[in-house]
Amino acid sequence: DAGVIQSPRHEVTEMGQEVTLRCKPISGHDYLFWYRQTMMRGLELLIYFNNNVPIDDSGMPEDRFSAKMPNASFSTLKIQPSEPRDSAVYFCASIPQGENIQYFGAGTRLSVL
Amino acid sequence: ELKVEQNPLFLSMQEGKNYTIYCNYSTTSDRLYWYRQDPGKSLESLFVLLSNGAVKQEGRLMASLDTKARLSTLHITAAVHDLSATYFCAVDSNNAGNMLTFGGGTRLMVKP
Repeated sequence: DAGVIQSPRHEVTEMGQEVTLRCKPISGHDYLFWYRQTMMRGLELLIYFNNNVPIDDSGMPEDRFSAKMPNASFSTLKIQPSEPRDSAVYFCASIPQGENIQYFGAGTRLSVL
Repeated sequence: ELKVEQNPLFLSMQEGKNYTIYCNYSTTSDRLYWYRQDPGKSLESLFVLLSNGAVKQEGRLMASLDTKARLSTLHITAAVHDLSATYFCAVDSNNAGNMLTFGGGTRLMVKP
């Protein structure tokens, strides 16, 4: 398996623009997670899905952030409008039901100018 | 709110030396994870500790968990340069493998 696939790997945008990050989990994994990593706040869980249903979104910073999982093989994290403080590395991870280890994608480095 | 604290935050050590990284957490949990992250890379799972007293070893790294003390340690034996990376512990706040709270990370540099 190719692992968790995220795109794009790098995104540079201007403040106020909409940004969409994409994630393809490992086939057969039931859980999908979105994390954000910054120097100031470390690694934070934003939201996670189980069988395409959002279970906990308490980590989503504000209404500008939204996440969807329309099917078992695809999820998006959208920021609209983006702000410079959203600059971070965003990771997606997935895990099969009943297992413990989360498998992380390579991340998307987002820079909002 | 669950808090996970690692120390030290930064560790510079010579090859061949031993050292321990500590991970303290603030609430009851029986599951603790250790991950490694190389600069600019993703997170790689190292260990999963699922019960009090659990000990796992892989090469020069050994991890242990004391759930009563809410403490996990990652011990490095005879460090080599290839171990240079940032190490994170993460605590599972609902014991189901899906709500991880990460520590701030320990950046390890091993000098020749």
